[in-house]
Amino acid sequence: EVQLVESGGGLVKPGGSLRLSCAASGFTFTNAWMSWVRRAPGKGLEWVGRIKSKTDGGTTDYAAPVKGRFTISRDDSKNTLYLQMNSLKTEDTAVYYCTTGGGAKLDYWGQGTLVTVSS
Amino acid sequence: QSVLTQPPSASGTPGQRVTISCSGSSSNIGNNYVYWYQQLPGTAPKLLIYRNNQRPSGVPDRFSVSKSGTSASLAISGLRSEDEADYYCAAWDDSLSGPVFGGGTKVTVL
Repeated sequence: EVQLVESGGGLVKPGGSLRLSCAASGFTFTNAWMSWVRRAPGKGLEWVGRIKSKTDGGTTDYAAPVKGRFTISRDDSKNTLYLQMNSLKTEDTAVYYCTTGGGAKLDYWGQGTLVTVSS
Repeated sequence: QSVLTQPPSASGTPGQRVTISCSGSSSNIGNNYVYWYQQLPGTAPKLLIYRNNQRPSGVPDRFSVSKSGTSASLAISGLRSEDEADYYCAAWDDSLSGPVFGGGTKVTVL
């Protein structure tokens, strides 16, 4: 059974940083492209970015609102995906989901972790 | 503002058919597959339909989709109380080089 478990969310002040983790199990993480998607309060889903598998280059892509501030990385030895968020803004407040897949087809989702950016 | 446009809400009585529209452009729906996600209250989104009209294992055939040009729609036939959820359409956007979502449609079973 595929499991994705996010952690690391919390309350942070504007301008601050936070790192989210996503522990994966039940599939071959090394071969998987992974993405982060968020849902802000009262709004719809928004793609944050993705990371390809190392065999496909391991490169990352980001949505325009987070490019230059957020960094996605992976540790295949730990089956873990990360999202480093810097220079956080109030509009980054959202539930952040870890997902399998690197395009519009996102097969499995974690339960999400809440990030609140507020002074 | 979401790139794909969905109505904010839809409703029906048990057994009825409900349809949700999703409007985009040539850079997304018009040129790529459309995907649909279901988010039940308090849970994570779940892939409901992929590659225009394929259903993952366990998704009943009461859910079906259609696509024409730059628009798509999701139909739920034989509406049941457990179908109360938020539904999102998604597609890859060639201009933005990333997937885009609709704003979501909340389906209420009256």
